[in-house]
Amino acid sequence: AQKVTQAQTEISVVEKEDVTLDCVYETRDTTYYLFWYKQPPSGELVFLIRRNSFDEQNEISGRYSWNFQKSTSSFNFTITASQVVDSAVYFCALRTYSGAGSYQLTFGKGTKLSVIP
Amino acid sequence: DAGITQSPRHKVTETGTPVTLRCHQTENHRYMYWYRQDPGHGLRLIHYSYGVKDTDKGEVSDGYSVSRSKTEDFLLTLESATSSQTSVYFCAISERGEGDEQYFGPGTRLTVT
Repeated sequence: AQKVTQAQTEISVVEKEDVTLDCVYETRDTTYYLFWYKQPPSGELVFLIRRNSFDEQNEISGRYSWNFQKSTSSFNFTITASQVVDSAVYFCALRTYSGAGSYQLTFGKGTKLSVIP
Repeated sequence: DAGITQSPRHKVTETGTPVTLRCHQTENHRYMYWYRQDPGHGLRLIHYSYGVKDTDKGEVSDGYSVSRSKTEDFLLTLESATSSQTSVYFCAISERGEGDEQYFGPGTRLTVT
């Protein structure tokens, strides 16, 4: 069974601090995809990044960076120099292929990030 | 932004009544999904579709049915709403399925009294 654990339920940081959101996943599949989504207070879900199981390169996009480590089944998300606009709930998700056009997407329970000015 | 709309955006209904939520997309994507979001549970997949008239169950499908007669529309029906189905419902779409990111609609807040 697939499982995604985001152990940090809520995090508060002061603006300009760096913050890392943890994501640990479980799957028996050798091919899978990992995602991060952002849900700001307005409620919509915004796609941030996708990573497949064969690509362990870290990725940086502006103030955002992602550290994927298969050895520890982790896909952590770091925000550098946090801003108030980063305040949101962040979800990590795992997608696996079940065959015959069938897919499963499992979300973690989310981490609520509050950036205090 | 992906062209995904959900209707209604808010609904209050009574226990035992049928409810249908609609998801409409203008992206011509093959895959469509229904999730529910509840505090402490994150998002959980209810049903999904991998083509017209092709659907399958997700993690929490009991009490829900779906239909997809056109590429652009995916309907979620609660045959007899219960208070446990009070939730925010999100529709999502993806182009190719495996590995593709999903784009989400704005959500429908359903309250069953």
